[in-house]
Amino acid sequence: EIVLTQSPGTLSLSPGERATLSCRASQSVSSNSLAWYQHKPGQAPSLLIYGASSRATGIPDRFSGSGSGTDFTLTISRLEPEDFAMYYCQQYGSSPRYTFGQGTKLEIK
Amino acid sequence: QVQLVQSGAEVEKPGASVKVSCKASGYTLTTYYMHWVRQAPGQGLEWMGIINTSGGATSYAQKFQGRVTMSRDTSTSTVYMELSSLRSEDTAVYYCARGGKIPTWGYFFDSWGLGTLVTVSS
Repeated sequence: EIVLTQSPGTLSLSPGERATLSCRASQSVSSNSLAWYQHKPGQAPSLLIYGASSRATGIPDRFSGSGSGTDFTLTISRLEPEDFAMYYCQQYGSSPRYTFGQGTKLEIK
Repeated sequence: QVQLVQSGAEVEKPGASVKVSCKASGYTLTTYYMHWVRQAPGQGLEWMGIINTSGGATSYAQKFQGRVTMSRDTSTSTVYMELSSLRSEDTAVYYCARGGKIPTWGYFFDSWGLGTLVTVSS
């Protein structure tokens, strides 16, 4: 099973700053089958990025994904107040076993 | 638009079973896989399993093998997740999430339900 490790666990930034979230896999993620989700309390998780770098429908271009193999990054170029949330990476390449990282909490500094 | 509407919160005693439903609308249920994911308090997201909503075949995470059953009712466009032999550690929010278009097995989750809180307490 592929284990995903996200860092940092918590990221404290101010609106307008740049956020860089990391996701490292224990083995290569096939076909860059890596997604990022945003999760706010009391809401359903929502898809941000799939295929490591493709934005989901309706996602602002301040969100971008990059990486390949075992190292992936989610970047938020200029933080808006609504961006403070939990973020999870997920691999879906070694299906039927889908795994999530433990999450990064993006909080207001 | 795609909507996944889940059943309401449940409180169960240890050793009991719980069955959570997820009603799909805005698309044809039997054309996409459905997944179940849970989140225990203070924890991250945990994948539980997948169901082929067309043929009914399932695949479960090893952790839940023998305790979870996923099923569907195509006449009502509803998917079910039943978890048995409940223990306190099963207290969590349970989500259904739409996967890939059948037969595309490996795919991200593009729509999620709002979640169902299951509390296991004596």
